[in-house]
Amino acid sequence: GQQVMQIPQYQHVQEGEDFTTYCNSSTTLSNIQWYKQRPGGHPVFLIQLVKSGEVKKQKRLTFQFGEAKKNSSLHITATQTTDVGTYFCAGQGDSNYQLIWGAGTKLIIKP
Amino acid sequence: SAVISQKPSRDICQRGTSLTIQCQVDSQVTMMFWYRQQPGQSLTLIATANQGSEATYESGFVIDKFPISRPNLTFSTLTVSNMSPEDSSIYLCSVGPGHPRTTDTQYFGPGTRLTVL
Repeated sequence: GQQVMQIPQYQHVQEGEDFTTYCNSSTTLSNIQWYKQRPGGHPVFLIQLVKSGEVKKQKRLTFQFGEAKKNSSLHITATQTTDVGTYFCAGQGDSNYQLIWGAGTKLIIKP
Repeated sequence: SAVISQKPSRDICQRGTSLTIQCQVDSQVTMMFWYRQQPGQSLTLIATANQGSEATYESGFVIDKFPISRPNLTFSTLTVSNMSPEDSSIYLCSVGPGHPRTTDTQYFGPGTRLTVL
């Protein structure tokens, strides 16, 4: 079946350093979505990418969707303590309404 | 976006008992989803609940263990039956606006933290 692989599982950074998480799908996606889950919270929608090669920015966050619509990345520039949490990608296939969730990448800011 | 509430927010239950989790949405939505998230893990879809029809369960989940009701377009319940410690998890409901064939983005309730002793 469809799978979305997300790496790394954890990333420890010093505050001010950059952070990147990557997702790869086994099949072509119609769209990919990114969610953030703060510790103890629930997933909150960040953005949806639909077009091949699409790049979207939200302040310090940059989201990319690959040309083949099978991979995506989220890059955070100059991390802040408010960025702490787990970032999930979730892909939607062409023929199925369900979202296929990545395993998540936990962003940890080193004290 | 939709505003979603869940009750209870957390519970501690004894093995062999059942717990019903309620999910209330502030607007009518076609599709509601129930997920399970074990500590430190990703989300696993249990079932999709559509109003007026039987819920659709994912592989590994069965109606006898996780009966679902969807009496109207703003409400759903998930029951965790005959619980065991392995059922300890966070249970999340979510809604996806739009056409029944597309979920678009999903909005999540705050979750129910279940501990089974």
